[in-house]
Formats: sequence, structure tokens, C-alpha cells
Amino acid sequence: AQSVTQLDSHVSVSEGTPVLLRCNYSSSYSPSLFWYVQHPNKGLQLLLKYTSAATLVKGINGFEAEFKKSETSFHLTKPSAHMSDAAEYFCVVSSNTGNQFYFGTGTSLTVIP
Amino acid sequence: DTEVTQTPKHLVMGMTNKKSLKCEQHMGHRAMYWYKQKAKKPPELMFVYSYEKLSINESVPSRFSPECPNSSLLNLHLHALQPEDSALYLCASSQDPLSAYEQYFGPGTRLTVT
Repeated sequence: AQSVTQLDSHVSVSEGTPVLLRCNYSSSYSPSLFWYVQHPNKGLQLLLKYTSAATLVKGINGFEAEFKKSETSFHLTKPSAHMSDAAEYFCVVSSNTGNQFYFGTGTSLTVIP
Repeated sequence: DTEVTQTPKHLVMGMTNKKSLKCEQHMGHRAMYWYKQKAKKPPELMFVYSYEKLSINESVPSRFSPECPNSSLLNLHLHALQPEDSALYLCASSQDPLSAYEQYFGPGTRLTVT
């Protein structure tokens, strides 16, 4: 069975400081992993994806994530937070059949000016 | 064009009404999804269509009825809803139902049941 754990329900950072959003997954196969961002009252936007190629994945808006199989982690980072990064972030793992996706409970990011 | 569109953006309906939500994509994707999202929660999968056929129904009440008229369109027909059905309804699509391609999400329909 697949599952995703986002370790922090809320993260608060100052503008210009690094962002770290943590995600651990459980899977019986080699999954595809995704990070999505959702701004208030909006749909979800893909930030980046891991699909068994390079373990360090670069995404949009300066975000990146590193797949660590030994730690079953896929943490999202950004060197310098911007006010526009304030949003809800979801870590997602695919099913082995590829047609279902399992969402973490989300991390709410607040950026303090 | 990497856009999924949803209409309407907002919908208020009474418990005896019948209404429909519409979703459209023109990316040639062959998997389409309906999700329900409550405030401060992750999306919950409702239905999956693979090659225009319903492949997953996550035990959704029959007052929600999905329809996939063609590979670009996905509808969600609503009838006799309950106040607890008020939520953001998200549509998504992905390239191939047999591979874990990323999903593209629409902006959602904000549904209020009175």
C-alpha cells in the first residue's frame, strides 16, 4: 500500500530565508512522487515531479526536491522564500498502476515579511 | 495548451435541485479525475475515467453521477445533495492512465448546498 506523510502541518519562514517542507512516503514499489502547490481558492499547480530519473529534481519558481530512497523521503526546498510562496503544499505519490494518486495532508506555508 | 477548465466557478444549489459541473481539457489526456476538497484538507478522489470509461469509483453516493461524453469532456451531475457536500470540486487530467504522469488540475467549482 502507498501512503504519504507530511511531517509539518504548518511552516512559517521569514522572507528571504530557506524553505524546507518535509515529506516521507511508504510504497512497495518504486513510485513517482510529486509536489503541488495550492493558493487560496485555486486549483493545484505542479511544482515538480520525480519519476525514477535524477534524484535531485528542479521545479518551477526555484523549488527543488531530493528523492532519498534509503530514507523514503522527498523533501521540498527553496533557498529564499518569497511572499508569493505563501500557500498550501501537497506531497503526492502515485499508485503502482499509475491511475491513482495519494495525497499527504498538506503543509501550510506562511512567509513573514 | 496545458489548461483544464471548469465551469461554473461558483454554484449555489438547494437540496432538491439538479445541476452539473463541467470539465474540459484539450491536451489529449486519456485519464480524467474528479476530486472533492474540503477546507484545509487534501483533495479526496471521487472518480477516475480511463479512456472514457469509469475505472474507479471511490464509493461515492449515487447523488453524484459522473459522465465522460468524449475524451475532452468530463461532467459531474448533482442531484439531491446534502449540505455536507458543500466543497471545492476539482477536475484533473493526466496523459496516460497506465503510467504515473503528472496530473493537471482545473481551478475548481466552489459548491454550496443550502
